[in-house]
Amino acid sequence: DTGVSQNPRHKITKRGQNVTFRCDPISEHNRLYWYRQTLGQGPEFLTYFQNEAQLEKSRLLSDRFSAERPKGSFSTLEIQRTEQGDSAMYLCASSSMGNRTQYFGPGTRLLVL
Amino acid sequence: AQSVTQPDIHITVSEGASLELRCNYSYGATPYLFWYVQSPGQGLQLLLKYFSGDTLVQGIKGFEAEFKRSQSSFNLRKPSVHWSDAAEYFCAVGANYGQNFVFGPGTRLSVLP
Repeated sequence: DTGVSQNPRHKITKRGQNVTFRCDPISEHNRLYWYRQTLGQGPEFLTYFQNEAQLEKSRLLSDRFSAERPKGSFSTLEIQRTEQGDSAMYLCASSSMGNRTQYFGPGTRLLVL
Repeated sequence: AQSVTQPDIHITVSEGASLELRCNYSYGATPYLFWYVQSPGQGLQLLLKYFSGDTLVQGIKGFEAEFKRSQSSFNLRKPSVHWSDAAEYFCAVGANYGQNFVFGPGTRLSVLP
């Protein structure tokens, strides 16, 4: 069990650029979650997958954000036309069916200049 | 809708002293409750969880928490704090049917030598 991994760990980009983050969940975990955490705040839910199906999306997930989990394994989160307000830590978590416990990755810290 | 409050933004204790971090939740049904710890620039590590049964739950690193339904609280305690416990602590509630967690704003713990 290698835990949840996220890449890259840090990303600096200029406003208006597109960025993509990857999350690899714990193997055999069929549920995968994305959260956003701004400085001094708790994580806020963005979206959730069960296998390859995206089952829930927060209103925080604007049209510039898209998430995929094409084969029910790893997931990507893309932000198009980044804005300075997108600067945050993006956290991924996974859990198995029937177990409500979510295990978190180390996060990707995004800075938009 | 679920909500979580952590009344203390920042707590400072001396090493060896006891600790209690407060968490209050709002949810209409029986909640799933969690405490996570986050070191600077890192992801979240699960400390303990409550689903049902014994209202006093034990976690890792010597932490425990008590669920009090009448007070809608799930306070985290440790009898003797170590310098390595300095971190940010987050309480979270998971709904019975929804999959996303709602996190509190966090309590930052500082430990004096």
